[in-house]
Amino acid sequence: GAGVSQSPRYKVAKRGQDVALRCDPISGHVSLFWYQQALGQGPEFLTYFQNEAQLDKSGLPSDRFFAERPEGSVSTLKIQRTQQEDSAVYLCATMKPLSGKISYEQYFGPGTRLTVT
Amino acid sequence: EDKVVQSPLSLVVHEGDTVTLNCSYEVTNFRSLLWYKQEKKAPTFLFMLTSSGIEKKSGRLSSILDKKELSSILNITATQTGDSAIYLCAAMGANSKLTFGKGITLSVRP
Repeated sequence: GAGVSQSPRYKVAKRGQDVALRCDPISGHVSLFWYQQALGQGPEFLTYFQNEAQLDKSGLPSDRFFAERPEGSVSTLKIQRTQQEDSAVYLCATMKPLSGKISYEQYFGPGTRLTVT
Repeated sequence: EDKVVQSPLSLVVHEGDTVTLNCSYEVTNFRSLLWYKQEKKAPTFLFMLTSSGIEKKSGRLSSILDKKELSSILNITATQTGDSAIYLCAAMGANSKLTFGKGITLSVRP
């Protein structure tokens, strides 16, 4: 597809339920990022993949959060035993292939709005 | 800890006004500064700034980076109601990780 896609767009979960959020990156984008955006705040970094390798997971708020990208393309963010404070928009962003350039812009998907009741 | 601060937090102007949005950053291994526009969906990319003092321009929007002052500004001239949005500033550090500010809510009144 032309851009980053995410599914589902909206998810309502009961407290304690497990959820899985999917990100389909722009074809050929090596780097993939997950961010969490609470209401009225800027996005906050969760984790980063380069191909299938998870290079940084320092932003994951607890061990209930787990992300994977097994084949270096689609990524899934899983949240176990959801709690009300997990309610937020979860954004996926991808970045162009590595080269000699110092950095590239990140392109965001539409996000998944998670509401935990 | 990496930090990005934006100001003002919100702004109300009338159509035709010019606005300046501010961003300051403290990021380890700084690589670039990015501006995004966010309406009721995901952030859309506006500018990426890597070099100090070089203005980037796109229509009525322009932005510049000052690496000495660790800051950037985003200017919008002749504002229109369609410019109403949240403007996010993000600094890219190690591992291309973005640290975002809280955003500036701009409201343009007709």
